[in-house]
Amino acid sequence: QLVLTQSPSASASLGASVKLTCTLSSGHSSYVIAWHQQQPEKGPRYLMKLNSDGSHTKGDGIPDRFSGSSSGAERYLTISSLQSEDEADYYCQTWGSGIHVFGGGTQLTVL
Amino acid sequence: EVHLVESGGGLVKPGESLRLSCTASGFTFSSYNMNWVRQAPGKGLEWVSSISSSSSYIYYADSMKGRFALSRDNAKNSLYLQMNSLRAEDTAVYYCARATSSNNFDYWGQGTLVTVSS
Repeated sequence: QLVLTQSPSASASLGASVKLTCTLSSGHSSYVIAWHQQQPEKGPRYLMKLNSDGSHTKGDGIPDRFSGSSSGAERYLTISSLQSEDEADYYCQTWGSGIHVFGGGTQLTVL
Repeated sequence: EVHLVESGGGLVKPGESLRLSCTASGFTFSSYNMNWVRQAPGKGLEWVSSISSSSSYIYYADSMKGRFALSRDNAKNSLYLQMNSLRAEDTAVYYCARATSSNNFDYWGQGTLVTVSS
């Protein structure tokens, strides 16, 4: 079964960096994922598509502070030089055989 | 600029029906697969349904099969979600989302709230 697992919460200080993790279920380690950001009271925003080799394609207007990487079944989103507006929920998404799956989301707090 | 605008949400009683619409602009609607995703209050994102660009393929999440029907009108740049036999657990903000050729979602609407309550 295709499942994405994310830690429920993360925190980091203003100006620091943070690395969020999305883990693919067993047997799905080659899958491509996408990262989305959802700021409070807003609709989601596409950040990037992330391949198993770590290459990624970002959405329109996404700052260079956002980057992606991969290792095995793990997909990472790194946000550097954290700003207050980065405080949001971050979701990973994958797909296969006609269905789409979202991770449970990570709530990022900027201290 | 890509815009997706959802409409049709509201308050309905359990067992009633509702039809959501998503109007697209800023891109060639007929070239893209489209999707609905929902978010219950205080919860995460849940994929609802997908439709291919020419309506050849339609997929549903298991909990929506048999109750929800997805369709599109490429001449009107519009996507529709017919929701029947609504339950309290269908209460959520419903988002329309565009899929790229790789199938990830790259643009989202602002959502429309559906509340199912007696």
